[in-house]
Amino acid sequence: EPEVTQTPSHQVTQMGQEVILRCVPISNHLYFYWYRQILGQKVEFLVSFYNNEISEKSEIFDDQFSVERPDGSNFTLKIRSTKLEDSAMYFCASSEFPRGGETQYFGPGTRLLVL
Amino acid sequence: ILNVEQSPQSLHVQEGDSTNFTCSFPSSNFYALHWYRWETAKSPEALFVMTLNGDEKKKGRISATLNTKEGYSYLYIKGSQPEDSATYLCAFIGDSGNTPLVFGKGTRLSVIA
Repeated sequence: EPEVTQTPSHQVTQMGQEVILRCVPISNHLYFYWYRQILGQKVEFLVSFYNNEISEKSEIFDDQFSVERPDGSNFTLKIRSTKLEDSAMYFCASSEFPRGGETQYFGPGTRLLVL
Repeated sequence: ILNVEQSPQSLHVQEGDSTNFTCSFPSSNFYALHWYRWETAKSPEALFVMTLNGDEKKKGRISATLNTKEGYSYLYIKGSQPEDSATYLCAFIGDSGNTPLVFGKGTRLSVIA
């Protein structure tokens, strides 16, 4: 069964460093998403992406964040200068269609720890 | 700010017991409700997407109901097994489906053998 994959599974970084989180969405999906969950809190939407551009972003997704689809398979989230409060589990998701009645398929997440 | 609440926060049941938990969401501008099952170190697994008031969906021993007028959904597990131990997340979408998933905090279920 097709699945969303994410690498790395864990990443530890120093405050101020750049990190890139990688995702491979399901191959025939066209809509991609990043979410995050800070420990003990709700899963929060960060950004959605379609046709090589951001279609929606939350208040969390500020200038420190960027997304890219560098080739036909990868979808990346970059955090330019990490802060302590960026420590969280980051989930990538993809869907075949964009509307809310369609299932979004999630990857296993990357746990980011900023020291 | 949309508020999606799940209760209880955690639940311990004996193997073989049936159980249920609740997701509450805004009753206005409803479009869809998603249920996910998330085991530690694995991907959240999509269980159901519910869109119609009164809808009931079933997948094996797990079923869900939806009441959009009062803004709640129940998830039921019949005859709980240890492999059902996971966090169950609900996520709400409103506004004609053009908004992101808004998640509850989840219900953590532990099934004791």
